Amino acid sequence: GQQLNQSPQSMFIQEGEDVSMNCTSSSIFNTWLWYKQDPGEGPVLLIALYKAGELTSNGRLTAQFGITRKDSFLNISASIPSDVGIYFCAGQFEPSGAGSYQLTFGKGTKLSVIP
Amino acid sequence: SAVISQKPSRDICQRGTSLTIQCQVDSQVTMMFWYRQQPGQSLTLIATANQGSEATYESGFVIDKFPISRPNLTFSTLTVSNMSPEDSSIYLCSVDSSVFNEQFFGPGTRLTVL
Repeated sequence: GQQLNQSPQSMFIQEGEDVSMNCTSSSIFNTWLWYKQDPGEGPVLLIALYKAGELTSNGRLTAQFGITRKDSFLNISASIPSDVGIYFCAGQFEPSGAGSYQLTFGKGTKLSVIP
Repeated sequence: SAVISQKPSRDICQRGTSLTIQCQVDSQVTMMFWYRQQPGQSLTLIATANQGSEATYESGFVIDKFPISRPNLTFSTLTVSNMSPEDSSIYLCSVDSSVFNEQFFGPGTRLTVL
């Protein structure tokens, strides 16, 4: 089945620094999604990518869908303390004939921001 | 985006008992999903719940252990049966926005089995 390799596993950065994390896969996905999970909460969708090569921004967040549809990166600019959390990439595909958009998640990147 | 609530938010249960987790959505959705997130781990899909049909389970998960109901387009339940400490996890429901091809998650149910 599909697997997503997400890196780095964890990051410690100074407030104000930029952050970059990425995911790669051996399989092609139709959609890439980036989520953030705070402690005790469910994942919150940050950015969704639908087209190969697509570059999308959401405030200080920028994400790109790789041209091969097998990878994606997420950048956070000028980090602030509330950026702390676990960031997950997720790839979505539709199994042939099933009509179900299943998600496969990466293992997450734990971000710590030092004030 | 859909607003999703789950009950209970957390529970501590004894080995051998069962717990039913509820998921309520503020709008009608076609697809509802149940995930498990073990401590410090990523999310693993348990099953897909469609209204009017049996749930579709992923490899490693079976109906006898995780029975699911989907009585209408806004509600679903997941039961964790005959629990053991290994079932201690966060259980999350999510819904698929068929318009946007995005999934939105509930806040999760934190289960601890003693």
